[in-house]
Amino acid sequence: ENQVEHSPHFLGPQQGDVASMSCTYSVSRFNNLQWYRQNTGMGPKHLLSMYSAGYEKQKGRLNATLLKNGSSLYITAVQPEDSATYFCAVVGTMGGDMRFGAGTRLTVKP
Amino acid sequence: DAGVTQSPTHLIKTRGQQVTLRCSPKSGHDTVSWYQQALGQGPQFIFQYYEEEERQRGNFPDRFSGHQFPNYSSELNVNALLLGDSALYLCASSPVGGELFFGEGSRLTVL
Repeated sequence: ENQVEHSPHFLGPQQGDVASMSCTYSVSRFNNLQWYRQNTGMGPKHLLSMYSAGYEKQKGRLNATLLKNGSSLYITAVQPEDSATYFCAVVGTMGGDMRFGAGTRLTVKP
Repeated sequence: DAGVTQSPTHLIKTRGQQVTLRCSPKSGHDTVSWYQQALGQGPQFIFQYYEEEERQRGNFPDRFSGHQFPNYSSELNVNALLLGDSALYLCASSPVGGELFFGEGSRLTVL
């Protein structure tokens, strides 16, 4: 069964710092990895998708890298509004189900 | 353009009862997936519907069933509710293989 693990579970940077988080996964087949963000009381929102090892993607202050069995997500110059839980989700086959980890809870201190 | 809508937003049931949750996908999306999210956990995949058929299923018992209608909307049914079924139930729609668009969820409390 597909497994996704996050590190760290909690992160508390100061405003303006860089927040760094990662996930590792074990899947029988890999199609793509996606990062989502979830604010309390709301559904997750898609941030970005990556498709092959070595792939890097930048979106605003987000910077993500796909590794062989994991991914790193960096948020530069974090702001209090970045506070949320960030999830990595893996799709094993094209059009297949997406498996989520438990997430990294980011709380930015003003 | 309305996103994914779910109803009801909150509901309370007692053990042994049955519940039906509803989901309308984002316009243009034909695939609907359901997830269960316990407090402090990530979403856990229940099943996915495409062309009115259950295409994939996660590790959930048969008490969890669903349906997709010709207009792509979907229902999640849970029978014989247990205390452990208390969770946020998320519906997500997508084009095939694309990113998921989530609704805000239905918060189920089982007493």
